[in-house]
Amino acid sequence: EAGVTQFPSHSVIEKGQTVTLRCDPISGHDNLYWYRRVMGKEIKFLLHFVKESKQDESGMPNNRFLAERTGGTYSTLKVQPAELEDSGVYFCASSQGGLAGNQPQHFGDGTRLSIL
Amino acid sequence: AQRVTQPEKLLSVFKGAPVELKCNYSYSGSPELFWYVQYSRQRLQLLLRHISRESIKGFTADLNKGETSFHLKKPFAQEEDSAMYYCALRDAGGTSYGKLTFGQGTILTVHP
Repeated sequence: EAGVTQFPSHSVIEKGQTVTLRCDPISGHDNLYWYRRVMGKEIKFLLHFVKESKQDESGMPNNRFLAERTGGTYSTLKVQPAELEDSGVYFCASSQGGLAGNQPQHFGDGTRLSIL
Repeated sequence: AQRVTQPEKLLSVFKGAPVELKCNYSYSGSPELFWYVQYSRQRLQLLLRHISRESIKGFTADLNKGETSFHLKKPFAQEEDSAMYYCALRDAGGTSYGKLTFGQGTILTVHP
């Protein structure tokens, strides 16, 4: 079984530019989560999809961040325009099950985003 | 609000010594606790969840609701245990739909 896949593994962009991160969950996993670890801080929840619907986006930092999951398969996280404080590692995780989300979450390798 | 605290950023032990990674949490609801591990150049992976009550790679963790703790223990550390360890909490009965709250992580180094 292929694991959670994230693209790119590393992205370096200048402040003000746009970046799009992609996550391919494990096939058949309805739940998809985005997390972020900013340097020196803990991994923090950003949002949760159940299939194509946003179930919880309480962790999204501001409206410069836009997440989508068209068709309930892969998801994208776009940052526009990027700011210096957006630098960090962005993790995607997926799990089986429906709304309860009580299955273990499987993580991708993460995308390291560096804003110059 | 839920919070997870791992008081030690770094922990060093010698091979064969016992190791305990501390985790304390604050949450008023019904928590489910996990330990995740990230080995060098590998992805974050689940090590233990408290509801399973199992031992993985010699590690155990017991949920102590009185002390709001979920410390990770291993009686005899091995060099291959060197990694970053994260304690995480999930609301088992509420409406958070599975999102995890993580501690800051503890880097464990096991010396030969």
